[in-house]
Amino acid sequence: GEDVEQSLFLSVREGDSSVINCTYTDSSSTYLYWYKQEPGAGLQLLTYIFSNMDMKQDQRLTVLLNKKDKHLSLRIADTQTGDSAIYFCAENPSNYQLIWGAGTKLIIKP
Amino acid sequence: NAGVTQTPKFQVLKTGQSMTLQCAQDMNHEYMSWYRQDPGMGLRLIHYSVGAGITDQGEVPNGYNVSRSTTEDFPLRLLSAAPSQTSVYFCASREPGTQQPQHFGDGTRLSIL
Repeated sequence: GEDVEQSLFLSVREGDSSVINCTYTDSSSTYLYWYKQEPGAGLQLLTYIFSNMDMKQDQRLTVLLNKKDKHLSLRIADTQTGDSAIYFCAENPSNYQLIWGAGTKLIIKP
Repeated sequence: NAGVTQTPKFQVLKTGQSMTLQCAQDMNHEYMSWYRQDPGMGLRLIHYSVGAGITDQGEVPNGYNVSRSTTEDFPLRLLSAAPSQTSVYFCASREPGTQQPQHFGDGTRLSIL
């Protein structure tokens, strides 16, 4: 069945890079997404990658996609306290539905 | 821009009560969805709509009804609240096209006693 898996927590030191990993199951997904949820708020789209790409960079964010292993990662360079949030990976096996991971809570240590 | 507005932000109900969670968007988006978010789980789709007058079930539709009489509004009704429906509910909207991002409301935190 469809399932998107992420680790529930990641702890990094301020200034280090954070790497959040995700595995997905549906190879027909056209796009894969990373959303960010800050406390008490809804989810905001951070970035997405088309399935025929293997990397996308946007300022401090780098997305890597390994289609063979169905593995997606989000790297945040120079992690800041404002990056504290829950990060969700999602895939779209159909036009109408996104399948979501459980979210990775990023904890920043001073 | 208001974006996606959900009301109320918090609600406590007793088992068996009914209520409607409101969702409105001012972006003229065709697609709207309702999700629930539970601890340790991803968002689960309850119902969605691809335009006014068109709705369909998602992954977990039981116990919920929706209607879409206008493009702007997509209310979610709990018919007879149960403790298992205690959750955070998110409404989202987007343009057609799989690459288009979803815009989320800030959520409604619902507790059923």
